[in-house]
Amino acid sequence: AQTVTQSQPEMSVQEAETVTLSCTYDTSESNYYLFWYKQPPSRQMILVIRQEAYKQQNATENRFSVNFQKAAKSFSLKISDSQLGDTAMYFCAFRDDRDSGYALNFGKGTSLLVTP
Amino acid sequence: GAGVSQTPSNKVTEKGKYVELRCDPISGHTALYWYRQSLGQGPEFLIYFQGTGAADDSGLPNDRFFAVRPEGSVSTLKIQRTERGDSAVYLCASSLYGRGGSSYNEQFFGPGTRLTVL
Repeated sequence: AQTVTQSQPEMSVQEAETVTLSCTYDTSESNYYLFWYKQPPSRQMILVIRQEAYKQQNATENRFSVNFQKAAKSFSLKISDSQLGDTAMYFCAFRDDRDSGYALNFGKGTSLLVTP
Repeated sequence: GAGVSQTPSNKVTEKGKYVELRCDPISGHTALYWYRQSLGQGPEFLIYFQGTGAADDSGLPNDRFFAVRPEGSVSTLKIQRTERGDSAVYLCASSLYGRGGSSYNEQFFGPGTRLTVL
């Protein structure tokens, strides 16, 4: 079974600063996908960024980028120029390509607070 | 509709009662997922539908939980003889394809139903 670990229950960052959220995972699969989701108080899960394991280049989406270290099974999220609207729970998620389907396996989340 | 919708937004029930939670996926999405999110935890997979059939129900905790998707669109999660431990946010997600489709296959989530069992 795959496990996803987010070791930082809470993080805080000042507006305009940079913050990095960590995520590690455990799998024996060689092909899989990794995601970061944002969940604001409205409860709606929003996809922030994704990474395919076979791609060596780190994914980037505007202010959001990842540091994907396949050998170390690490997938951290960097948020640059933090904004007040980035305050939310952030979940790291894993998905493999086995026949079991495309269900996501989530970590416990990191609560991020952006302060003025 | 524009996104995945779930009703009701909140549901309070008494221990032992029966509840139904509804999910309306994005039109045309063939795959539908149910997840359960307990307080302070990440979502946990319950069941996955491909069309009308439950392709993977390995996440359902016990036989009190059941879900249907009779016409391949709307899905209903049914919980019998509710227990206090069933209290959680129940999230629904849909994707354009399921197994065998696009390898990327983004899941779009609804706002969830918060179930409270007293």
